Amino acid sequence: EAGVTQSPRYAVLQEGQAVSFWCDPISGHDTLYWYQQPRDQGPQLLVYFRDEAVIDNSQLPSDRFSAVRPKGTNSTLKIQSAKQGDTATYLCASSLLGGFAEQFFGPGTRLTVL
Amino acid sequence: SQWGEENLQALSIQEGEDVTMNCSYKTYTTVVHWYRQDSGRGPALIILIRSNEREKRSGRLRATLDTSSQSSSLSITAAQCEDTAVYFCATRTNAYKVIFGKGTHLHVLP
Repeated sequence: EAGVTQSPRYAVLQEGQAVSFWCDPISGHDTLYWYQQPRDQGPQLLVYFRDEAVIDNSQLPSDRFSAVRPKGTNSTLKIQSAKQGDTATYLCASSLLGGFAEQFFGPGTRLTVL
Repeated sequence: SQWGEENLQALSIQEGEDVTMNCSYKTYTTVVHWYRQDSGRGPALIILIRSNEREKRSGRLRATLDTSSQSSSLSITAAQCEDTAVYFCATRTNAYKVIFGKGTHLHVLP
């Protein structure tokens, strides 16, 4: 069974540019999470979905960040007008039936904002 | 941050040695997860210990949990070079939300 896949694996952009990250969760997993992992820190939850509904997006850093999961499968995280402080790895995870189920992580997208 | 003593740190040991990593947490949790993260990959759950367990073993891994002091430890017996990774402990504040600590870089030298 395929794991969580993410693309692109790397992104480098100038401040002010926009970027989108794409995540394909494990088939059948109804819950999807986006995390931000700054260098030398643990992942920090940004937003999570149950099917297509946002359950909690209160940790999104600002209105420059948005996330969607329109059909309850794949998801996109977008940063508009990126800042240097957004430099981090962005991880997607999915789980089956939410709750206390194990979260399975993708390899992440490493973003550098110059 | 809700984390106490567990700041990002680096540990280097020789292959074959035992190692213990510690973490403390401030927010009530019913479970502590330990994850490992290899370079260029996402975290992977390696052991989970619930609040009604004091110790959990999985192969060469041993996790402990002391709810009274809100601390947990992960021990690796006879470490191998392939154990080189970043290890995180994490708690759950609700059914969905996993809160990670800053991690420990473990380097196992041949």
